[in-house]
This record gives sequence, C-alpha cells and structure tokens, in this order.
Amino acid sequence: EPEVTQTPSHQVTQMGQEVILRCVPISNHLYFYWYRQILGQKVEFLVSFYNNEISEKSEIFDDQFSVERPDGSNFTLKIRSTKLEDSAMYFCATSRQGNTGELFFGEGSRLTVL
Amino acid sequence: QKEVEQDPGPLSVPEGAIVSLNCTYSNSAFQYFMWYRQYSRKGPELLMYTYSSGNKEDGRFTAQVDKSSKYISLFIRDSQPSDSATYLCASYTGNQFYFGTGTSLTVIP
Repeated sequence: EPEVTQTPSHQVTQMGQEVILRCVPISNHLYFYWYRQILGQKVEFLVSFYNNEISEKSEIFDDQFSVERPDGSNFTLKIRSTKLEDSAMYFCATSRQGNTGELFFGEGSRLTVL
Repeated sequence: QKEVEQDPGPLSVPEGAIVSLNCTYSNSAFQYFMWYRQYSRKGPELLMYTYSSGNKEDGRFTAQVDKSSKYISLFIRDSQPSDSATYLCASYTGNQFYFGTGTSLTVIP
C-alpha cells in the first residue's frame, strides 16, 4: 500500500540551528501539507503546497519556516534558527485531490530542540 | 472560537462495548468530515471519510454527520483492545483541515 515516508524519524538539535525535514509523498498525490503536534496537544496546520507554491499557511508558519519541492519527489520543511518551542512532531501529509478531505499522513519526524 | 471541538476523554471501556466518540464544529461551510486514528507517537491514520450529512459504515465503524446540529460522531461496535488509540475528528474547507484535540480511548481486555 502506498505511503508517505518521512525522514529523519527523530532529530535532536541545538537552539539556533537549522533543520530540514524531508517527506516523500505518495506518487500520484498533488497536494502536500505540513502539520505540527506538540506533545499532548492537537494537530496544527502549518502550510499547504500545490503546483510548486504555497497555497495557504497558518500563523505558526512565519519567516522561520520554508517549504520546497527541490527535485520533484521530496517535499521539505526547513526551520531556520530553531527555538525551544519548535520541539514537536512534524507530520507531512498528502492528498490526491485538494478539494476533498482524504489526507494521508506520514509517521512523523520528532524534533527536539535543546 | 475553536473550529472543531472534541472531548479529550480519556475514555475507558471493556472489550466488546460499543464506543461513541463525538465532535462539534462551528463552521457551516464544512462539507467533508473525517475520523483519524492515532497510535502513540505515530502519524494519524485515516479511518473514515464522509461528505455532507448522513451515515457511513465500514466494518465495525460507523461515522455519522448531522449538519443541522453541527455534530460528528464515530461509533465502534464490538470494541477490541487494538482499538485503543487517540481518535481525531477533522473537517475540511478551502484548503485547510481543522482537527479536534483527539479523544484517548482504552479498550480493556
């Protein structure tokens, strides 16, 4: 069964360092998303991406964050100058169509900022 | 005002019980409603997906949407210990998904 894959599964970094989280979407999916889940809290929307550009972004997704699809397969989330409060699970999600609700999540990348 | 509200529980039931999980939502523009299951430290897994009002059944799971009262329900029949997880309701409009906080369910053997 096709799945969304994410790397790394866990990353520990020092405050102020840059982090890149990677996602390989399901092959025929066109809409890509990043979500964040702080431990014990709800899943929060960060950004949606379609046709090589950001479709929507939340208030959380400030200038510290960026996304790109550098090679047509990977979908990356870059966090510049990480802060302690960036510690969370980051989930990549994809969907085949953007105007429905069928969203498929990866296993997540756990980011720990020290 | 939260877009999707969900009682976080925790909810604990004996094996074989019928489980009822509920959410309310505020935005009448929501058309698509989903239930996700999330095991500890794993990504949410799409469980049920419905469009507009009505019921949808898949095995032991039934999803119900009542748009008049803005109420979303998930029923699990003959609950199993493997159903122990956090269940997230979600809705979609525009290009954004809105998730509830999740209800933690434990099914006791």
